[in-house]
Amino acid sequence: DTGVSQDPRHKITKRGQNVTFRCDPISEHNRLYWYRQTLGQGPEFLTYFQNEAQLEKSRLLSDRFSAERPKGSFSTLEIQRTEQGDSAMYLCASSFLGGNQPQHFGDGTRLSIL
Amino acid sequence: AQKVTQAQTEISVVEKEDVTLDCVYETRDTTYYLFWYKQPPSGELVFLIRRNSFDEQNEISGRYSWNFQKSTSSFNFTITASQVVDSAVYFCALGEYSGGGADGLTFGKGTHLIIQP
Repeated sequence: DTGVSQDPRHKITKRGQNVTFRCDPISEHNRLYWYRQTLGQGPEFLTYFQNEAQLEKSRLLSDRFSAERPKGSFSTLEIQRTEQGDSAMYLCASSFLGGNQPQHFGDGTRLSIL
Repeated sequence: AQKVTQAQTEISVVEKEDVTLDCVYETRDTTYYLFWYKQPPSGELVFLIRRNSFDEQNEISGRYSWNFQKSTSSFNFTITASQVVDSAVYFCALGEYSGGGADGLTFGKGTHLIIQP
């Protein structure tokens, strides 16, 4: 049973560029979550999907951010016109639906804005 | 609004000592979930335990134990006979119930635990 996989592990880009991250959840998991973590802080919830439906978005998710999960499997998170403040670790997690299922996290994608 | 407070930013102990990490939460929900995660230097968040709001039974797993007290809104984590491999950042997290389980979790800022040999 493979874990949550994220790609790339590290992304360096210039301010103003667009970036896209990919997350492959654990295969049987219905739910997929995106979080952002900055240095010295806990993860902050951005959005989540139940199958292909995006059910909740945090107010942290500005209009420059968009997430998709087109076939209910992998997900992408795109940031347009990146800003210095977008520098962070972007974490993906997945879980089963129902009961008290814990979220299992990937290794994250570290975004550095030059 | 939900909130998780981990007042201890950093704790340093000598190996084999017992250590308790504090977690205090705030929520208006009557049904909620509490979690502890470990983040070692490698960076991946590792799930340790989940607790439902309606189950106040404490739990022990090897050297780890958890004390959940609704009366004080606390969910503390104790490591007995600490080891160097326990060195990590530990996060407490709160999730609200929405029919299918916890949605987006609210994390505390974490406690950096340093176990010195």
